[in-house]
Amino acid sequence: DIVMTQSPDSLSVSLGERATINCKSSQSVLHSSKNKNYLAWYQQKPGQSPKLLIYWASTRQSGVPDRFSGSGSGTDFTLTISSLQAEDVAVYYCQQYYRSFTFGPGTKVAIK
Amino acid sequence: QVQLVESGGGVVQPGRSLRLSCAASGFTFSDYGLHWVRQAPGKGLEWVAVISYDGSKKEYADFGKGRFTISRDNSMNTVYLQMNSLRPEDTAVYYCAKDGSAPHDYWGQGTLVTVSP
Repeated sequence: DIVMTQSPDSLSVSLGERATINCKSSQSVLHSSKNKNYLAWYQQKPGQSPKLLIYWASTRQSGVPDRFSGSGSGTDFTLTISSLQAEDVAVYYCQQYYRSFTFGPGTKVAIK
Repeated sequence: QVQLVESGGGVVQPGRSLRLSCAASGFTFSDYGLHWVRQAPGKGLEWVAVISYDGSKKEYADFGKGRFTISRDNSMNTVYLQMNSLRPEDTAVYYCAKDGSAPHDYWGQGTLVTVSP
């Protein structure tokens, strides 16, 4: 099984500042022949269902603000919120879909 | 617009069964795979099961193998999760989610399952 870890568990960021969340997989999720990383990011705001933000590690889902970006390859990935807004307070999860499906434990983002 | 509406949750005793339903609209249901994902109270997301667009392929998380069965009725635009031999640790909000650009590009609002004596 592919195990996903995230760091930090939580972070507090001032409005307008950058937030960075890291995600690591226990095995590579890069499909070499397709050159695609099978890695997605989801946002879950308090009391709401999760929402897809990023897929293929760096492709933004339609309608997602461009302050959200994903990067990384192989086993190490990053979600960056370039300028934190109040509405970005949420828990963020990474997920691999290379072999079955596994979520990371989540990172809680709050306003400092 | 895509809508996924789960139903069938409730309080059930350990060892009993429950069937969840997810009614879909706003897309061509028979073209897409569907997933179930759960979230225990105050915990993270946990993938449960997936069924292919035509129902020919199914995959389960280890904790669900032999106890949970995913199925779909493309004439009714509905996906189901039959859960048998329920345990207290199965207590969670169960979401259905549509396959697409990523495994879960749209989610329902969830239905709460509580397994308690």
